[in-house]
Amino acid sequence: DTAVSQTPKYLVTQMGNDKSIKCEQNLGHDTMYWYKQDSKKFLKIMFSYNNKELIINETVPNRFSPKSPDKAHLNLHINSLELGDSAVYFCASSGTVNTEAFFGQGTRLTVV
Amino acid sequence: LAKTTQPISMDSYEGQEVNITCSHNNIATNDYITWYQQFPSQGPRFIIQGYKTKVTNEVASLFIPADRKSSTLSLPRVSLSDTAVYYCLVGDFLSGNTPLVFGKGTRLSVIA
Repeated sequence: DTAVSQTPKYLVTQMGNDKSIKCEQNLGHDTMYWYKQDSKKFLKIMFSYNNKELIINETVPNRFSPKSPDKAHLNLHINSLELGDSAVYFCASSGTVNTEAFFGQGTRLTVV
Repeated sequence: LAKTTQPISMDSYEGQEVNITCSHNNIATNDYITWYQQFPSQGPRFIIQGYKTKVTNEVASLFIPADRKSSTLSLPRVSLSDTAVYYCLVGDFLSGNTPLVFGKGTRLSVIA
C-alpha cells in the first residue's frame, strides 16, 4: 500500500490550460509538501501544509495554489500553464516531528 | 535554516567505501542533520539522521564531529545501485515547523 501517492504520473498539456495534481498520504502525517524539480534537477520547495494551514509559501507564481480538503490530501492546482512550468512535481509528507519525510513517485508535467 | 555545502559530484568504484562531507558552519543548537538519497525518476528517500557523534543504520553511517560544523555520510562497499544524488539537510526538524529545504546535493556515480 503506497504511503504517498500522486496522480497522474504523467501530464502533458497545452499552454494556457488549468490542471491539477492530486496527492494522498495514508501515514497519518500532519505536514504535507509540494516540490518542483526542474530540468537542472534542483529540488525546490513550493508549499507546506501543517494541519490544513499553509506554513510556507515560497515565491512561486500565484497561478499555483495548494488545496487541502483534509489532512490526508494536498492537491496542487495550476492555472494558465506556461512552458516554464514543465518539471517533475513531488508531493511529500512528514509527521509532527520531522524525523523522516516520505515522497510520492512524482508527476512529470510537460507543457507544450 | 543552516546553509549547507556539499561537493557537486563524486565518482567511486564498486566495493569502495564512499564518504560525502557536508559543511554547515552556522548550525544551531537544536538543529539535526539529515541525509536523503534520490534515484533518477524517483522522489528523495530518507537515509539517516543524527545530532552528534556517530549514527549507524543498515544503509549508512553518519559521523558528526564535536563542533558539529560538518558531517560525513559514509556508504560502505557501494554498488552500482547506489548511484544517486545525496542531499544533506540541517534544521530543527524535531520541532515540527522546520521545512525540508534541499540544496543541490552530491551526485554520486558508481562505476564497475
